[in-house]
Amino acid sequence: SQKIEQNSEALNIQEGKTATLTCNYTNYSPAYLQWYRQDPGRGPVFLLLIRENEKEKRKERLKVTFDTTLKQSLFHITASQPADSATYLCALDGDNAGNMLTFGGGTRLMVKP
Amino acid sequence: DVKVTQSSRYLVKRTGEKVFLECVQDMDHENMFWYRQDPGLGLRLIYFSYDVKMKEKGDIPEGYSVSREKKERFSLILESASTNQTSMYLCASSTPSSTDTQYFGPGTRLTVL
Repeated sequence: SQKIEQNSEALNIQEGKTATLTCNYTNYSPAYLQWYRQDPGRGPVFLLLIRENEKEKRKERLKVTFDTTLKQSLFHITASQPADSATYLCALDGDNAGNMLTFGGGTRLMVKP
Repeated sequence: DVKVTQSSRYLVKRTGEKVFLECVQDMDHENMFWYRQDPGLGLRLIYFSYDVKMKEKGDIPEGYSVSREKKERFSLILESASTNQTSMYLCASSTPSSTDTQYFGPGTRLTVL
């Protein structure tokens, strides 16, 4: 079955720097990959989607890349702010029929002022 | 904006009790999902429904059942709650599309004593 790996260790960075989070997957070739943000005690919120035929996607300070050869997506937040502190989850379309997503375990980002 | 609501933010129940978790979405989405989220284990799919009265088992359906009598409402039932069902429960909805972006509720933190 497909496996998704995100760094389980928290990422600590200084305000103003670029945060880069990694999502690796195995045993599957997804048609697209999504990134969500989750604040403590809240449900995840959709941020960005990138399709398999897209190399890069941007939205304001966010940038996502998708390398189907490396089976990896990178999620960048430029000019990071303390308000960006949250857990970020990647999700892939399921390897079964239907409309299910498979989520990674998430990486916690801490941006220090 | 899509709104997904869950009946309770916090719930405390005793072992053996029957527990109902309710989820309502207001965007006429066909698909609805129930997940549980535990530290180190990420989001795990319990059940999925793609239409009224239709359901599919997810990765961890044991000890749970679901009900979808109306399109906007999806209920998760713990027939006999056990302490290992203490968790954060998240409901989500989506519309069938090529991207399957999911919209989550705020979550219910269930504690079983």
